[in-house]
Order: sequence, then structure tokens, then C-alpha cells
Amino acid sequence: KQEVTQIPAALSVPEGENLVLNCSFTDSAIYNLQWFRQDPGKGLTSLLLIQSSQREQTSGRLNASLDKSSGRSTLYIAASQPGDSATYLCAARGSTDKLIFGTGTRLQVFP
Amino acid sequence: DADVTQTPRNRITKTGKRIMLECSQTKGHDRMYWYRQDPGLGLRLIYYSFDVKDINKGEISDGYSVSRQAQAKFSLSLESAIPNQTALYFCATNPGTGFPDTQYFGPGTRLTVL
Repeated sequence: KQEVTQIPAALSVPEGENLVLNCSFTDSAIYNLQWFRQDPGKGLTSLLLIQSSQREQTSGRLNASLDKSSGRSTLYIAASQPGDSATYLCAARGSTDKLIFGTGTRLQVFP
Repeated sequence: DADVTQTPRNRITKTGKRIMLECSQTKGHDRMYWYRQDPGLGLRLIYYSFDVKDINKGEISDGYSVSRQAQAKFSLSLESAIPNQTALYFCATNPGTGFPDTQYFGPGTRLTVL
């Protein structure tokens, strides 16, 4: 059974820092891995999707990497801003075609 | 207009009441999903549907039922609500295999069962 873990559960950093959010999964037979952003009381917004054949994806200040062999993905946020404050969730899609979510990292970027 | 809409956005109900949460999408996607989110537990899959004639149970389907009335509509029902069904409920869509596989979420329904 796939399990997805995110560390740390919460992170508070000053504006301008580069940061890394971690996601690990137990079953490496994944179809893809997705990173989402969730603002308080709101739905999830897809940030990046990495197919199993890819190593990384980039969108603006965000870069996500995938290492299937070690069961890890990282989300790198460059030059963090207060507007980046949100909860970030990763989710792995496996052979069952269902997304398995981590519990998220709650990020606060203060001015 | 939002691509995935959910109604109601907030609902307070009493134990034992029947309640329906509705989801509509304009994305033309075949696949639709219902999740619930609880603090510290992440999102868990309740039911999913890959087309109008296909309904599948997720990991926590007990106490819930669904109806796929059309490609664009997927409803979640709680036949007899209980307090531990208090949660944030999300509907999501996905275009299916062979396409960019991004999951699109609705804004959520906050349900409180007293």
C-alpha cells in the first residue's frame, strides 16, 4: 500500500529565502507525482506534475524533482515571498490510478 | 467562471439527516472524484467515477453513496449523517490517461454534523 509522507509538517521562514519541501513515497511504481498548493479554507491548485519518466519540472520560481529509486520528490521554492504562504501537498499516482496524498507542509513566509 | 463548482459551500446539519453535496464541471473530463480532508490526515478518497456508467469505492466509502447523473455532474450523499463525517469535502476531475494528468479541484464544501 502506497504511503506518502511530507517533512517538515510546518515551516516558517523570512522572505527571500530559498527553501526545499520534501515528499517521500513507499512504492516506487508510480505513474506520476503532483505538487499542489492549498490556501486556508480553499481548494487545491496544481503547481507541478512530474511524469515517472521525468526527473524534474519547473514553473517560475518553483522546481520539483523526482527520484523514483529513492522514493523522493522535492519542491524547491526560490526567493520566497509572503504570498507563497500556504499548505503544500504532494500526491503520488500509482498503478491503481488513484492519487495518494501526503499530509502537507504548512509554509509561512514572513516579511 | 470556475471549472469545477461545488454546492453548498458550507453546511451545518444534525445527526441522522440525509445530505447531498453536488459537484459540476465544465472541463469535459470523464473522471470525477470525491475526497474528504481532515486535519492531520490529508485527503482521502471516498468514491470515484471514470465515466457515467462507472462508479468505484475509494478507501473510506462507508456511510457515503454517489450518483453520476451526467458527465458533468457527480453527487455525494450522506444517508444518515454522523458527527465524525464533519470535514472539508472536495470534488475533483481528471482528463484520464493519455492526457496531461493534472487533477483539478473544486473549492470545497465545509460540512459540520452536530
